[in-house]
Amino acid sequence: QKEVEQDPGPLSVPEGAIVSLNCTYSNSAFQYFMWYRQYSRKGPELLMYTYSSGNKEDGRFTAQVDKSSKYISLFIRDSQPSDSATYLCAMSYPPGQNFVFGPGTRLSVLP
Amino acid sequence: GAGVSQSPRYKVAKRGQDVALRCDPISGHVSLFWYQQALGQGPEFLTYFQNEAQLDKSGLPSDRFFAERPEGSVSTLKIQRTQQEDSAVYLCASSSDRVAFFGQGTRLTVV
Repeated sequence: QKEVEQDPGPLSVPEGAIVSLNCTYSNSAFQYFMWYRQYSRKGPELLMYTYSSGNKEDGRFTAQVDKSSKYISLFIRDSQPSDSATYLCAMSYPPGQNFVFGPGTRLSVLP
Repeated sequence: GAGVSQSPRYKVAKRGQDVALRCDPISGHVSLFWYQQALGQGPEFLTYFQNEAQLDKSGLPSDRFFAERPEGSVSTLKIQRTQQEDSAVYLCASSSDRVAFFGQGTRLTVV
């Protein structure tokens, strides 16, 4: 079993839909949780990060962490075709020293 | 520079050839990471530096892989006697504390 599991998709949604992306993990020591967006033939771009449990909102994006369930989510409201990319969850412990990634979910937002 | 810079962006190597991939991290970032990303997969950890010290090289797949960061800034990942299974995108990331920032990657194709 991998340390971080993520549904690889692909996930196709119509423009304007709410998208929910999820990851589960096994190591309860993880403290920092990140979401990256990766366009084709580009490097991963940091979208958001959260520390421990709770929610964090940034524009159309909301990240949630539930440490008791070892489950994290990224919600995208009013999805746009430009959101079409692969979304990678990542988590770290010790902070800044060990980043473990999920396999990524490929999202397509159809106009 | 403003971000992590990697060169070359693309490299085609004949099987058995040695290659060297360069990473120029964000100025002042103490930590530097190398990851390998296969098509449709998330980044897989290769090695980690804190300044010039290589603290973790557990992800290097064989002794043909070697990384260095002699002055605690620029890093080079060297692959000796390349094999077809080495074909992948090699990502470099740097971190100051909590989160990692990635370069655009080097796409290595071994023919």
